[in-house]
Amino acid sequence: AIQLTQSPSSLSASVGDRVTITCRASQGIGSAVAWYQQRPGKIPKLLTYSASNLESGVPSRFSASGSGAEFTLTISSLQPEDFATYYCQLFNNYPQLGQGTKLEIK
Amino acid sequence: QVQLVESGGGLVKPGGSLRLSCAASGFTFGDFYMSWIRQAPGKGLEWVSYISPSTKTIYYADSVKGRFTISRDNDKNSLSLQLDSLRGDDTAVYYCARPTERKLRFLWGHWGQGSLVTVSS
Repeated sequence: AIQLTQSPSSLSASVGDRVTITCRASQGIGSAVAWYQQRPGKIPKLLTYSASNLESGVPSRFSASGSGAEFTLTISSLQPEDFATYYCQLFNNYPQLGQGTKLEIK
Repeated sequence: QVQLVESGGGLVKPGGSLRLSCAASGFTFGDFYMSWIRQAPGKGLEWVSYISPSTKTIYYADSVKGRFTISRDNDKNSLSLQLDSLRGDDTAVYYCARPTERKLRFLWGHWGQGSLVTVSS
């Protein structure tokens, strides 16, 4: 099975910072990658899909890119509500999730 | 609007069984692939199982294969997960999830609130 590895596993940043999270696949997977946000005690929320499409209602400070085996999620200017855990996911024939990246306040 | 409500969680002893249900409303349930995803305390998300609208296609994660059984009743708008031979590492919140649109089978835009399963003696 394809493995998804996120880096870093955790990250400390400040409000206003620009941060990037990377998701690497064990083999090329096209562009069927999504990113989810999970705030503490809340259910996961879909942010982006098909590598770069923003889900309706998601702020434009979130962006995603990539294809093949490397994908990134970028938050251009961190807001207090963005401190959460982020997961990448392969959503084509076999749903696979990354291990998560916890974004904490510095 | 789309609503997914899980039920059936609780405390069960190792080796025991439990049946989770997910009541769906606000959409044509029989049109969508449905999935179960779980999250152990303090850990990441783990996909568990999915089922096609017709029930013809069913897959399980290796960690639960042979112990869990997914099913659905399209007439009752209900998704189920039978958990047998439970182990401590099955302790988790179990979510049912629906894709954002029919053709994107595993793009989970809709999640239930989750049902906690605790396996402990």
